[in-house]
Amino acid sequence: DAMVIQNPRYQVTQFGKPVTLSCSQTLNHNVMYWYQQKSSQAPKLLFHYYDKDFNNEADTPDNFQSRRPNTSFCFLDIRSPGLGDAAMYLCATSRAGASGRGETQYFGPGTRLLVL
Amino acid sequence: AQTVTQSQPEMSVQEAETVTLSCTYDTSESDYYLFWYKQPPSRQMILVIRQEAYKQQNATENRFSVNFQKAAKSFSLKISDSQLGDAAMYFCAYRSGLGYQLIWGAGTKLIIKP
Repeated sequence: DAMVIQNPRYQVTQFGKPVTLSCSQTLNHNVMYWYQQKSSQAPKLLFHYYDKDFNNEADTPDNFQSRRPNTSFCFLDIRSPGLGDAAMYLCATSRAGASGRGETQYFGPGTRLLVL
Repeated sequence: AQTVTQSQPEMSVQEAETVTLSCTYDTSESDYYLFWYKQPPSRQMILVIRQEAYKQQNATENRFSVNFQKAAKSFSLKISDSQLGDAAMYFCAYRSGLGYQLIWGAGTKLIIKP
C-alpha cells in the first residue's frame, strides 16, 4: 500500500543535542510538509517543500531546518532541542495539481519527540 | 485571514447513535476546500471527508456526511451509527484553492459510550 512512513516513532534526545527525524513516502507526491503538534492541539505547519523548493513558515524558529534529498525522503533537523520542542512531529504529503493547486494531504503516523 | 472555529471541545454519543460536529469558518475567498480529519489515540491523522466549495452537493463517505452551508460558512460533520472506533479528535480544516497551507480548527474530542 502506498503510504507515508516516519522513523523513528519515538525519539528521546537530550537538551541541546541535535536530532533528525525522517519521513519517506511511496505516494510519489511532489509536496511534503512538516508539522509540529503539541498535546490536544491542532498541528502547526513548520515548512513544506514543493519539489525542491523550500517554503518556511514565518514563525518557524531557526532551530528547525529541513532537507529533501529526493522526491521520496524528507528530513527534519532540530539543531538544539529545547524542552519546549517536545511534541509529536507529523509529516504529510500531497500532490500539486497541474494548475499548481495543492491537493489533499496525507499524513504519516508521526514521531513523538521527548527532550530530557 | 481565514479562520476555522470548532466550538465543541468535547462531544459524547451513545454507540449506534448519530452525532454532529460543528465547524464554522471565515473567508472572503470563493475558491477553497474544506476537510474533516480524524486523529485516534494512536495519533495518525486520517482524512475523513473533503468538500470542494464550488460543489453544492454535500460530500458523503459511508457513515460520514457533511452539511455544507456556504452562505453561512458552516461545515458540520454527521456520523451515523457511531462505532467505538470513531472515538478520536476530529479536526476541521480549510485550504485556499491555490494554496498549500491548511488552516485548522482547535478540534473536537469525540467520546463513544458503549
